[in-house]
Amino acid sequence: GAVVSQHPSWVICKSGTSVKIECRSLDFQATTMFWYRQFPKQSLMLMATSNEGSKATYEQGVEKDKFLINHASLTLSTLTVTSAHPEDSSFYICSASWGAREKLFFGSGTQLSVL
Amino acid sequence: KQEVTQIPAALSVPEGENLVLNCSFTDSAIYNLQWFRQDPGKGLTSLLLIQSSQREQTSGRLNASLDKSSGRSTLYIAASQPGDSATYLCAVRRNSRGGADGLTFGKGTHLIIQP
Repeated sequence: GAVVSQHPSWVICKSGTSVKIECRSLDFQATTMFWYRQFPKQSLMLMATSNEGSKATYEQGVEKDKFLINHASLTLSTLTVTSAHPEDSSFYICSASWGAREKLFFGSGTQLSVL
Repeated sequence: KQEVTQIPAALSVPEGENLVLNCSFTDSAIYNLQWFRQDPGKGLTSLLLIQSSQREQTSGRLNASLDKSSGRSTLYIAASQPGDSATYLCAVRRNSRGGADGLTFGKGTHLIIQP
């Protein structure tokens, strides 16, 4: 199956700093990438959809100025959590596909802890 | 708004038993349904994907069925093994025109197989 690499696996940062998470498709061109967030014992919740070369589409309730998404190439999308606060501590995971309705492949996730 | 519910939330059984995990969704206009496995602190592994036109899919000891009209899916695990211990997630993909849609996940069933 296709491989999606996500880094870092975990990150601890101080409140007020920004954190960048990378999601790469290693063996296919990902025209679309999705970013999810999962709080403990909760469902994975879709945050935003990014298409290569265009602005991301954010789900209702997700602050686009706080969660900056860049999908500059067909193999890389980044999520930057700006001015992180303890309530942003969560498990973030990306997924990618090569077509509008193709099977989705997931990264290994990033556990963010904001002190 | 699509809602996905998984029952039971947790399950602990002895090794060798056959299991059924349940998933229900409120909006039957889905494109497909996927079952995933999530191990602690890790990403998702896709187990089975059922297109909306299909009734079931099988892979090894796993069998997933889909009844779109009633908004239900089941994941059947035969002859369970300790290595099957994980959280099992059900997710549906919306059926909308064009574009690429993210998945709506249930909260998962936390499965423990006792040796």
